[in-house]
Amino acid sequence: QKEVEQNSGPLSVPEGAIASLNCTYSDRVSQSFFWYRQYSGKSPELIMSIYSNGDKEDGRFTAQLNKASQYVSLLIRDSQPSDSATYLCAVNMYIQGAQKLVFGQGTRLTINP
Amino acid sequence: GAVVSQHPSRVICKSGTSVKIECRSLDFQATTMFWYRQFPKQSLMLMATSNEGSKATYEQGVEKDKFLINHASLTLSTLTVTSAHPEDSSFYICSALAGGGGTEAFFGQGTRLTVV
Repeated sequence: QKEVEQNSGPLSVPEGAIASLNCTYSDRVSQSFFWYRQYSGKSPELIMSIYSNGDKEDGRFTAQLNKASQYVSLLIRDSQPSDSATYLCAVNMYIQGAQKLVFGQGTRLTINP
Repeated sequence: GAVVSQHPSRVICKSGTSVKIECRSLDFQATTMFWYRQFPKQSLMLMATSNEGSKATYEQGVEKDKFLINHASLTLSTLTVTSAHPEDSSFYICSALAGGGGTEAFFGQGTRLTVV
């Protein structure tokens, strides 16, 4: 099992709809979770961080965390064509005593006008 | 968010030469920086973890003699690709952990390396 898993997509969503991105992780003791957005040819950009169970909202973005199920998700409301990108889920893990940010393989999202 | 500057953004070098990539945290001190490599349509692959004042920790399969990492100050880490070959062509990205025990990582702009 991979440490952080995402559906690679592609995920296509019509403009104005809600895009839902999912991520599961293997390390039960992880406490910090992040969503990054990466446009083609660019480096990742942090868009959300979440540390506690429940929902965290920031503008059109909502991150959801369920530590019991080892599941974190990102909802994008009122999707815009500019949201088309690859979304990377990242989990902070301690592996062999070292802190590491482990990434999923990313979900490619396309918003159709 | 915090700003991480990576330089150069793009470099073309001849096979057999060495290339140095710099990663600077501009408005915070970064005791830990990470170096990633990303091939087209793939996710980020962690190469090494760089800690200020100590030797870098390399991931399994990454040659430490080929990818030299130096983290001499709290705001600068460098990655040197030695004796580069065409298969080293990739997108190299650094990230830095915000200080004070923070867990949020901020990325540099990335360096597109092409070895010809």
